[in-house]
Amino acid sequence: GAGVSQSPSNKVTEKGKDVELRCDPISGHTALYWYRQSLGQGLEFLIYFQGNSAPDKSGLPSDRFSAERTGGSVSTLTIQRTQQEDSAVYLCASTMTGTHNNEQFFGPGTRLTVL
Amino acid sequence: DAKTTQPTSMDCAEGRAANLPCNHSTISGNEYVYWYRQIHSQGPQYIIHGLKNNETNEMASLIITEDRKSSTLILPHATLRDTAVYYCIVRVPTSGTYKYIFGTGTRLKVLA
Repeated sequence: GAGVSQSPSNKVTEKGKDVELRCDPISGHTALYWYRQSLGQGLEFLIYFQGNSAPDKSGLPSDRFSAERTGGSVSTLTIQRTQQEDSAVYLCASTMTGTHNNEQFFGPGTRLTVL
Repeated sequence: DAKTTQPTSMDCAEGRAANLPCNHSTISGNEYVYWYRQIHSQGPQYIIHGLKNNETNEMASLIITEDRKSSTLILPHATLRDTAVYYCIVRVPTSGTYKYIFGTGTRLKVLA
């Protein structure tokens, strides 16, 4: 079946503009995660959603970052007033919780470049 | 903060076993160790996970020390396609699900 998809694959924007990044998780997966990966670095946790529970926003770096998950499926990560340090690959992952493995399935990422 | 530490990079000859170490000295009793790898420009890919027993699957083996403070991922016969960044991760239970705490990873280069 289809894996996790993300769009756009690449986004170039000017400093100060807002951007929206989209994630379509695997159907039926109840948990959805957003990570940020700066060039040559590991993955930095941003936020996760679990079912209808309030999201864990503890990793969001500033109040310019927000995320929504509508209907327990698609998620949108919004970055307002983008800065050059926001340039990174933004990765989304989903899991089916309640199983022993809880393997995270990652999407291909969105490469954001802020000029 | 990362709960794992790994060497920055390693080389391995093609056909030989690649042994990738990871320290997780602050791991708690209910926190699993996961390994993922990331090939250039792709999303991370699951390899294996374990709690305290050694584990083996078609991709790799995971050896966890008895005190659980460190582990080793073993790729038994490395190929050029195994060149990637390998992440050792601690999975932390939280309300209703888990958080995956990534370290900085080991860049493995398999040499012909």
